[in-house]
Amino acid sequence: ETGVTQTPRHLVMGMTNKKSLKCEQHLGHNAMYWYKQSAKKPLELMFVYSLEERVENNSVPSRFSPECPNSSHLFLHLHTLQPEDSALYLCASSQGQGEETQYFGPGTRLLVL
Amino acid sequence: GENVEQHPSTLSVQEGDSAVIKCTYSDSASNYFPWYKQELGKRPQLIIDIRSNVGEKKDQRIAVTLNKTAKHFSLHITETQPEDSAVYFCATGVLGFQKLVFGTGTRLLVSP
Repeated sequence: ETGVTQTPRHLVMGMTNKKSLKCEQHLGHNAMYWYKQSAKKPLELMFVYSLEERVENNSVPSRFSPECPNSSHLFLHLHTLQPEDSALYLCASSQGQGEETQYFGPGTRLLVL
Repeated sequence: GENVEQHPSTLSVQEGDSAVIKCTYSDSASNYFPWYKQELGKRPQLIIDIRSNVGEKKDQRIAVTLNKTAKHFSLHITETQPEDSAVYFCATGVLGFQKLVFGTGTRLLVSP
């Protein structure tokens, strides 16, 4: 499956580190998303970009900073995270314009120590 | 904002039985209802979706029904197989708006 890729697949970081998660979609889609998936919680939408403009920011703490340089790439910059931020971070993309099916990447499993 | 409740949280069935998962939502503007399947260690994948201009949609062994008046929709899996074992998520959205609100998931276990 190469439609939506994410790197790294696993990441361990300390609370003072700065790291970035990368997502790339090869589907020609116009919208990209970041989700957080924790145990026993629903998928939590963090950010939505449509045509490279941020259209949704779900009250996410400022220690998470998204970046969408073009319609194929999406980053999530992380700094001074907390242990409770440990989770699976999923990227997704969709065509938009009435085609709402979201295609997910494999996720980055993040552990904050 | 939209609130989506999903039940049950876990469901165990014998191979060949049917499984039903139900979701309720609060926002009457929602008109798009997808279901995603997430196998262990894998990404969520769309298995079926329905739009509010229809009440039922079927694709082989899976079907989704929608009651817009009551604001609930259900996933039905017939003749379950062990490979159906996964976590299933319902979601709601509004067509044209790139946002889905997901339910908490149902862990389905199909025993041989």
